[in-house]
Amino acid sequence: DAGVTQSPTHLIKTRGQQVTLRCSPKSGHDTVSWYQQALGQGPQFIFQYYEEEERQRGNFPDRFSGHQFPNYSSELNVNALLLGDSALYLCASSLVGGMNTEAFFGQGTRLTVV
Amino acid sequence: QKEVEQDPGPLSVPEGAIVSLNCTYSNSAFQYFMWYRQYSRKGPELLMYTYSSGNKEDGRFTAQVDKSSKYISLFIRDSQPSDSATYLCAMDKGSSNTGKLIFGQGTTLQVKP
Repeated sequence: DAGVTQSPTHLIKTRGQQVTLRCSPKSGHDTVSWYQQALGQGPQFIFQYYEEEERQRGNFPDRFSGHQFPNYSSELNVNALLLGDSALYLCASSLVGGMNTEAFFGQGTRLTVV
Repeated sequence: QKEVEQDPGPLSVPEGAIVSLNCTYSNSAFQYFMWYRQYSRKGPELLMYTYSSGNKEDGRFTAQVDKSSKYISLFIRDSQPSDSATYLCAMDKGSSNTGKLIFGQGTTLQVKP
């Protein structure tokens, strides 16, 4: 079982650019949540996708958007990048209706905005 | 004021020491309390979780929740160098997986051989 996989591992973007991050959930999981973890901080919830729809959203601007595909994989898109968007972006997968303790995190994508 | 407060450390202890990690919170609606361990350049992994108040033990790890004081703790006995990591507390109001976990800042722990 490959677990939750995220790509790319690292990337560097320039202010104002757009970025797409990808997540493949653990086998058997159908729900994907995205978190932003700034350096020295805990993860902050961005949004959750299930059945290809955004089901829950945290306190993030509309520049952050997502998508879920029929195979349950997901993308996180960030437009008009700001320096403050530099962070580790984590994807967590789980099963709908499951416990909040049953989510598995990927290794994250380290985004640096210069 | 953040909903969950956690001292970022760093905390440095000798091998074999007992480690105490703590979080305080302000939202009395929190019912589920979790501890995650995050190694450098890795995602968080769930260590333990507790529902409501009380203690829970798993090997060298003990989690405690005191809802009256809005205070949770994680104790690590006989600490090992492999325990060196960042420890994150997380909380949720319900049991359902809404993804809306509220995390603390994380405490960086170093266990020296």
